[in-house]
Amino acid sequence: DGGITQSPKYLFRKEGQNVTLSCEQNLNHDAMYWYRQDPGQGLRLIYYSQIVNDFQKGDIAEGYSVSREKKESFPLTVTSAQKNPTAFYLCASRLTGGDEQYFGPGTRLTVT
Amino acid sequence: LAKTTQPISMDSYEGQEVNITCSHNNIATNDYITWYQQFPSQGPRFIIQGYKTKVTNEVASLFIPADRKSSTLSLPRVSLSDTAVYYCLVGDYNTNAGKSTFGDGTTLTVKP
Repeated sequence: DGGITQSPKYLFRKEGQNVTLSCEQNLNHDAMYWYRQDPGQGLRLIYYSQIVNDFQKGDIAEGYSVSREKKESFPLTVTSAQKNPTAFYLCASRLTGGDEQYFGPGTRLTVT
Repeated sequence: LAKTTQPISMDSYEGQEVNITCSHNNIATNDYITWYQQFPSQGPRFIIQGYKTKVTNEVASLFIPADRKSSTLSLPRVSLSDTAVYYCLVGDYNTNAGKSTFGDGTTLTVKP
């Protein structure tokens, strides 16, 4: 059963702590993406990766970091430098040359 | 990436056809037009993609005029379950690493 998974679904952290969000896909897709969504707004691109061991900043990369050590995995770390980390985080993947992104179910992060 | 403009919200009734128009005046020659659907607290789901004229699949049609400066997503005979946010995206996914700019989308509310 192919797909893209994110865990956990809900995550709570105290301010000042780093937190890592998991994203795994078994679709054999080369490209992976991280988006942030705030209430009532669209998705904003944080980071993306086209191949293993390579990634690029998106529109709002400050306060976030990623790694792409395996094709299947693209974890996102929300650091303490991110001023407003509370949001809904979505991971997606895409086959190179493909016309659509496949999204995971999302992780809702709450930082207090 | 070309900027898109969509209505913020639309209302409809069950069984009606719904047309959502997206403006993209700065669309480039190699850009495709893609529509996604998003339900609350879920990742977006691909609906349809097109380059010019008309594209139809099992759930929707996409109409693109000759100048390609706008496009219209048509949902035939909507039901309550079509209540969602619909995003219009424009981009050349082969040269932009599949990066997508999601605007704020159109919130469609289908009433009984």
